[in-house]
Amino acid sequence: EAGVTQSPTHLIKTRGQQATLRCSPISGHTSVYWYQQALGLGLQFLLWYDEGEERNRGNFPPRFSGRQFPNYSSELNVNALELEDSALYLCASTPSAGGHTEAFFGQGTRLTVV
Amino acid sequence: DQQVKQNSPSLSVQEGRISILNCDYTNSMFDYFLWYKKYPAEGPTFLISISSIKDKNEDGRFTVFLNKSAKHLSLHIVPSQPGDSAVYFCAASEGNQGGKLIFGQGTELSVKP
Repeated sequence: EAGVTQSPTHLIKTRGQQATLRCSPISGHTSVYWYQQALGLGLQFLLWYDEGEERNRGNFPPRFSGRQFPNYSSELNVNALELEDSALYLCASTPSAGGHTEAFFGQGTRLTVV
Repeated sequence: DQQVKQNSPSLSVQEGRISILNCDYTNSMFDYFLWYKKYPAEGPTFLISISSIKDKNEDGRFTVFLNKSAKHLSLHIVPSQPGDSAVYFCAASEGNQGGKLIFGQGTELSVKP
């Protein structure tokens, strides 16, 4: 069974541009979460999608947005890129929105803003 | 406001000995706690979890202890092996937040042969 897959693995963008990151959850999982791990820091919660709807968002500006498609895959969009957006972006999935369960992570997308 | 804290950025242990990684939290609404292990250039891998109704959970060489009154949890690895060398993150969640996790900053464990 395939795990959580993210694309691209690496992405280099110029300040002010837009970046689009993609995530495919484990088959059967309906919830997708996005996290940012900046250099030397822990994982910061960004966004949570379930059944196509945004359920929660972390303390990030509105230029961080995303969506979830009918097949439960998800996109994270970062507009007006700033240098400090350079980080590892991780996607995770869980079987459903309810209850406690461990989240399964992808390998991440390394975004570099120059 | 760091709700989950791992105050030791790094820990070095001899192979075969016990590794103890610590984590503190401030939000009393957290009711589920997890430990993840992360290698460079890879996503975190789930290790072990514990519900707030328990004070201990064991899985092979890994044991997690929860002290709710102190808002403290720890991960014990016995015996430590060189392959355990990685960054360990503790994470916490609230009951109505699904799989949304609040992570600590991580502790880099180095197990020396």
